[in-house]
Amino acid sequence: GENVEQHPSTLSVQEGDSAVIKCTYSDSASNYFPWYKQELGKGPQLIIDIRSNVGEKKDQRIAVTLNKTAKHFSLHITETQPEDSAVYFCAAGHTGFQKLVFGTGTRLLVSP
Amino acid sequence: DSGVTQTPKHLITATGQRVTLRCSPRSGDLSVYWYQQSLDQGLQFLIQYYNGEERAKGNILERFSAQQFPDLHSELNLSSLELGDSALYFCASSLRQDLNTEAFFGQGTRLTVV
Repeated sequence: GENVEQHPSTLSVQEGDSAVIKCTYSDSASNYFPWYKQELGKGPQLIIDIRSNVGEKKDQRIAVTLNKTAKHFSLHITETQPEDSAVYFCAAGHTGFQKLVFGTGTRLLVSP
Repeated sequence: DSGVTQTPKHLITATGQRVTLRCSPRSGDLSVYWYQQSLDQGLQFLIQYYNGEERAKGNILERFSAQQFPDLHSELNLSSLELGDSALYFCASSLRQDLNTEAFFGQGTRLTVV
């Protein structure tokens, strides 16, 4: 089955810096890669996703890149702000099925 | 607010007991997913229902079961509870049964088994 590894487990940056979180997946059939943000006391919220027919997707300060050959994908946050502090999860799945496999999460701390 | 409602928010119970967690999906969503989030772990997919029928099963223990009712709310039943079952249990809902529509998560039920 699919296995998703996520690094780093914690990431501390200064406000205004960029943050990068990396994930690798094992199943070459996976074609859907979402990223979720989980704030304290809340459920995960989808922030951006990418499908295997594109290599990069941007939404304001957030971007995701996908390298299908290497089976890894990354989340890039530019101009970080304190409100970006949260736990971020990557996931992988196949759009023909229902199951998402999640990484173990990255705790991002943005210091003012 | 995602529109997904989970009750109760917190639950403390003893080993060997049985509990029921409840989830009301967003209005119009037909698919409900259950996930378990243990300490320092990612989210583990447990089970999915679509319009009342089971659609996919993940790493769900035999002591756990779920169902989706005609009004589309879902319940996750956990029995013969063990200390290791302590975790956050999330419900998510989506319009369709595949991954082509966004899944919205509830705020979770924190289960503590003592």
